Amino acid sequence: DAGVIQSPRHEVTEMGQEVTLRCKPISGHNSLFWYRQTMMRGLELLIYFNNNVPIDDSGMPEDRFSAKMPNASFSTLKIQPSEPRDSAVYFCASSQLQAPAGNTIYFGEGSWLTVV
Amino acid sequence: GDSVTQMEGPVTLSEEAFLTINCTYTATGYPSLFWYVQYPGEGLQLLLKATKADDKGSNKGFEATYRKETTSFHLEKGSVQVSDSAVYFCALSSFTGGGNKLTFGTGTQLKVEL
Repeated sequence: DAGVIQSPRHEVTEMGQEVTLRCKPISGHNSLFWYRQTMMRGLELLIYFNNNVPIDDSGMPEDRFSAKMPNASFSTLKIQPSEPRDSAVYFCASSQLQAPAGNTIYFGEGSWLTVV
Repeated sequence: GDSVTQMEGPVTLSEEAFLTINCTYTATGYPSLFWYVQYPGEGLQLLLKATKADDKGSNKGFEATYRKETTSFHLEKGSVQVSDSAVYFCALSSFTGGGNKLTFGTGTQLKVEL
């Protein structure tokens, strides 16, 4: 079975440019998460969606960050304009929505972003 | 709010040594607990999980028991291998706000040497 698919795997961009990261969740999953990983702050939840609806975006660092999920099989995380401090690994993850919270959340391989 | 505290690394062991990585949590309600592993240059993979008190999760020789009385979920392995070198993350999942989300610890890097 295909896992969570992210693109691009690696991106190097100049400060001020727009960056768009893409994610295809596992088919049948209805929760999608965007995480950011840095050495300084570890893993941070940026935003998550249930059934394509944003539930909690309190982790989005600034207005420069935005995320969309137009349908069940696609999501984007956009940074505009990008800054060097945005350099990090961005992970997309998905799971089936279920209470209680025993369902496994599956991660993609990550998008490694460097802003110079 | 929910939080996870795990021992800081790096932890350096010789092959075949016994491993313990401590993890404690704070949560409202009744969370599920997870250990994820991240190998260099890769994403996070589920290692094991437990969804209720006294459950033991196990996989690839690793084990962890959900201890509600001590709010702990320590990871153990009886004999580590060089291939176990990775970063290990303890996490909890709670069903709040209409959805599940994972709260992670800071990760513990494990280095296993010959």
